[in-house]
Amino acid sequence: DAGVTQSPTHLIKTRGQHVTLRCSPISGHKSVSWYQQVLGQGPQFIFQYYEKEERGRGNFPDRFSARQFPNYSSELNVNALLLGDSALYLCASSLRDGSSYEQYFGPGTRLTVT
Amino acid sequence: GESVGLHLPTLSVQEGDNSIINCAYSNSASDYFIWYKQESGKGPQFIIDIRSNMDKRQGQRVTVLLNKTVKHLSLQIAATQPGDSAVYFCAEGPYGQNFVFGPGTRLSVLP
Repeated sequence: DAGVTQSPTHLIKTRGQHVTLRCSPISGHKSVSWYQQVLGQGPQFIFQYYEKEERGRGNFPDRFSARQFPNYSSELNVNALLLGDSALYLCASSLRDGSSYEQYFGPGTRLTVT
Repeated sequence: GESVGLHLPTLSVQEGDNSIINCAYSNSASDYFIWYKQESGKGPQFIIDIRSNMDKRQGQRVTVLLNKTVKHLSLQIAATQPGDSAVYFCAEGPYGQNFVFGPGTRLSVLP
């Protein structure tokens, strides 16, 4: 079975631009979460979506937004990019069926803002 | 592959020895804890989890110990292998919600 997939793998943007990152969860998983991982640190929670509804939001500015589609795939959007947005953006999916909260992570999208 | 962390605490162990990675957590309300392994160029991989109503849980070659009194979590890896070399993160949170990750520890297995 395919794991969590993310696209693109790498991306280079200029300050002030906008970026859209994409995530496809494991088949059957209805919950998708986004994390930002700055080099040398652990992942930081940005958003969680379940059944197309936002269920959690981390401490990130409004420049960050996301959505989940009927097929449970998800997009993370970041507007007005800053140098500090350079990071590895991770998507994780889970069943979230109450029996387990194991999250499966994708390989991430490496965003570089210049 | 890309480097996960350049200035992380590093634990170096000989192949075949046991490894112990420690983590201090901060939120007294956390009742769910997970250890993740992250290899260079990859996303974090689930290793083992533990609920706050337990103080020990064992998996295949791994054991997690939880001490709620001092808010401490540890991961023990038995008979460490070269493939165990990676960055290890603990994560905490209320069960069913999203997690706060620790800063990570790099495990280096020496031949």
